Amino acid sequence: DAGVTQSPTHLIKTRGQQVTLRCSPKSGHDTVSWYQQALGQGPQFIFQYYEEEERQRGNFPDRFSGHQFPNYSSELNVNALLLGDSALYLCASSEGGGGYNEQFFGPGTRLTVL
Amino acid sequence: DQQVKQNSPSLSVQEGRISILNCDYTNSMFDYFLWYKKYPAEGPTFLISISSIKDKNEDGRFTVFLNKSAKHLSLHIVPSQPGDSAVYFCAASARLNNDMRFGAGTRLTVKP
Repeated sequence: DAGVTQSPTHLIKTRGQQVTLRCSPKSGHDTVSWYQQALGQGPQFIFQYYEEEERQRGNFPDRFSGHQFPNYSSELNVNALLLGDSALYLCASSEGGGGYNEQFFGPGTRLTVL
Repeated sequence: DQQVKQNSPSLSVQEGRISILNCDYTNSMFDYFLWYKKYPAEGPTFLISISSIKDKNEDGRFTVFLNKSAKHLSLHIVPSQPGDSAVYFCAASARLNNDMRFGAGTRLTVKP
């Protein structure tokens, strides 16, 4: 049983570019949450998708957008990249959404913006 | 805003001794708390959780204590093993929200 998978593993972009990160949830999970982890900090909640809709959003600008597909996989898109967007982006899946349900994390995508 | 704080960036203990990791929170709406462990190049892994209706939850060598009046929780690992060396994140969530708030993490090193 595959756990949460994310692609790509690493990514290098330049300022102003756009990036798309991908996540496949653990089998049986229908909810995907995205987090940004800057160096030396804990993960910060970006948003959560359930039933193909954004259910809740953290304190991130509209440059951060997402999508969930019928097979529950998800994408995170970031437009007009800034140097400060350099971070580890983590995807977590759970069953039924909500902060009460154990979230399983993927290994993350390391984004570097030059 | 840092609603969940882990004030100790690092902790070093001897194998076999107790490791105590601390976490403080400011939002009184939080009613579910979790600890995650993270190894390099891997995503955080769920370790143990506690609901606000309890003050203690135990799972093998791991025990989490919750002091609601002080808005403080701690993770005890007894006995500590070298394989426990990792970064530990405290996280909290509220019934009305779907997000989790994480602390900055504490890097635990268990020396043989």
